Amino acid sequence: DTGVSQDPRHKITKRGQNVTFRCDPISEHNRLYWYRQTLGQGPEFLTYFQNEAQLEKSRLLSDRFSAERPKGSFSTLEIQRTEQGDSAMYLCASSVRRDAPLEAFFGQGTRLTVV
Amino acid sequence: QQPVQSPQAVILREGEDAVINCSSSKALYSVHWYRQKHGEAPVFLMILLKGGEQKGHDKISASFNEKKQQSSLYLTASQLSYSGTYFCGTSSNQAGTALIFGKGTTLSVSS
Repeated sequence: DTGVSQDPRHKITKRGQNVTFRCDPISEHNRLYWYRQTLGQGPEFLTYFQNEAQLEKSRLLSDRFSAERPKGSFSTLEIQRTEQGDSAMYLCASSVRRDAPLEAFFGQGTRLTVV
Repeated sequence: QQPVQSPQAVILREGEDAVINCSSSKALYSVHWYRQKHGEAPVFLMILLKGGEQKGHDKISASFNEKKQQSSLYLTASQLSYSGTYFCGTSSNQAGTALIFGKGTTLSVSS
């Protein structure tokens, strides 16, 4: 399968614990996006990378969230000191940067439940 | 600023048509349409660009009205497989930065 891959698919954690998610984009896709989605809502932008550079972060992204994309390949999203409000589906998407916007391909997501 | 989608939900019988609208208060460069089925990832449908032509494939098409900053998704002769939640994602610049998605329109098609 050459699509966007996310791991784990599900994560249950206790409040206050740290969690880390991984995203493997489609190879040769230099753009990588993280979104969060809660029930009944559209994906909410968190941050995005072009190659290894983090170009934009949402103002909604608290200091507890950090993302990396070393070497411009896979990316990790870490949430420190999780809160119940962090429970959501975390989606990763990738695309190729060209002169005109192209479609972004989404992974299956990581569903986080904070208890 | 989050685009506004309407209606919130649509119920159809197979073969009927539907229109889903996506409006923005900001000047848009592109509108991207996705469909998401329950428990699955959003799947790309099409992109509409400022100054571009109406797009379409099979019986799903879309248009972009620059004056109104509104895009419409047209589903004709709906099939059971069209059921899902449709999201529009918008971008205000050519650089293709991250999309801002609407809250979605849930489409239910029954036989």
